[in-house]
Amino acid sequence: GNSVTQMEGPVTLSEEAFLTINCTYTATGYPSLFWYVQYPGEGLQLLLKATKADDKGSNKGFEATYRKETTSFHLEKGSVQVSDSAVYFCALTGSARQLTFGSGTQLTVLP
Amino acid sequence: SAVISQKPSRDICQRGTSLTIQCQVDSQVTMMFWYRQQPGQSLTLIATANQGSEATYESGFVIDKFPISRPNLTFSTLTVSNMSPEDSSIYLCSVETGETQYFGPGTRLLVL
Repeated sequence: GNSVTQMEGPVTLSEEAFLTINCTYTATGYPSLFWYVQYPGEGLQLLLKATKADDKGSNKGFEATYRKETTSFHLEKGSVQVSDSAVYFCALTGSARQLTFGSGTQLTVLP
Repeated sequence: SAVISQKPSRDICQRGTSLTIQCQVDSQVTMMFWYRQQPGQSLTLIATANQGSEATYESGFVIDKFPISRPNLTFSTLTVSNMSPEDSSIYLCSVETGETQYFGPGTRLLVL
């Protein structure tokens, strides 16, 4: 079946540091890949997505590239802010259109 | 995208009781989903609810415990029945539009 493996957290960074959260997946066929973000006390918000190999999703300074050869979709941001503190979830959808989530990575950005 | 609301936003319930959670979306959608997020955990799919058909439940979830209604294309309910403290979680609905799922704000349930 489908699975998503996400970088273990928690991750603590200083403001303006570079962020990478690793995500790899196992899936049959050609899944779509997503990053969702959950701010404290809130639901999930779509951060970015990519639907085919070599696509780059981007939003709010975050980027992730769909790498089929390495089955990866790593999340990056060049300069994090305190307001980026949240839990980040990598996810995929396969043919059944159900989301399979990674375990989530807690990010804390210190001023 | 879609704008999704859930009621209640949070509740504290006694064990043995039931709670019905409502999910309302601002546009007509075919596929709606219900997820559970246990404390500090990731999301687990409970069931898929398509209008006009019975909900499809994932392994480990049964209709008697989590009955779902889907009366039209903009609304669904999830009932958590005969609750125990282990049911304390965030329950989220989502809808699919444009091959992407969008989530409601969640219902935070605490069972005492």
